Amino acid sequence: NAGVTQTPKFQVLKTGQSMTLQCAQDMNHEYMSWYRQDPGMGLRLIHYSVGAGITDQGEVPNGYNVSRSTTEDFPLRLLSAAPSQTSVYFCASSPTITRGSFYGYTFGSGTRLTVV
Amino acid sequence: KNQVEQSPQSLIILEGKNCTLQCNYTVSPFSNLRWYKQDTGRGPVSLTIMTFSENTKSNGRYTATLDADTKQSSLHITASQLSDSASYICVVSTSNDYKLSFGAGTTVTVRA
Repeated sequence: NAGVTQTPKFQVLKTGQSMTLQCAQDMNHEYMSWYRQDPGMGLRLIHYSVGAGITDQGEVPNGYNVSRSTTEDFPLRLLSAAPSQTSVYFCASSPTITRGSFYGYTFGSGTRLTVV
Repeated sequence: KNQVEQSPQSLIILEGKNCTLQCNYTVSPFSNLRWYKQDTGRGPVSLTIMTFSENTKSNGRYTATLDADTKQSSLHITASQLSDSASYICVVSTSNDYKLSFGAGTTVTVRA
């Protein structure tokens, strides 16, 4: 049982490049989400999904796309990277959003992205 | 806007000493408040959860308190260990949509 796996752990992009951050969980969780963590700020929700085929925007969705074709995978795509997207990205999952609230979320170990 | 403010931003303590972290929130409607521990280079891990009716909850050397009237919570670390060096994040959930509001965290450094 690996929990939530994020790849890559580190990435450097040039402005304008695109890439996909991978997130996979093996706990059969319906709810998955992406956050970004910036210095001096709390984690901010980018996109989330309550089940396969269903996605929705969070607090800071601009510049990012997501899809949820399977229960296990929830990739985050940067369409055209900008320096403002330099951040640490976390994927988190829970059985449902309600259970996540009461029983906690399982977070991946993060992807540190630098855009130059 | 739902907000969570944590203080201090960082602190340094000697091994074996105690410390207390503060969290003030304006999240409404309130469901629960959770403290997470985030080690460097890792994702947050839940320490404890407080619901509206709970005042105090302990998890080993960690004790969380909640005053729902003043919308304040604290996390007390007793007899600190080097492994307690981490960022501690206060997270508040709403009761209507269960969305989370995160504090910026308090970075604790424990020195031998």
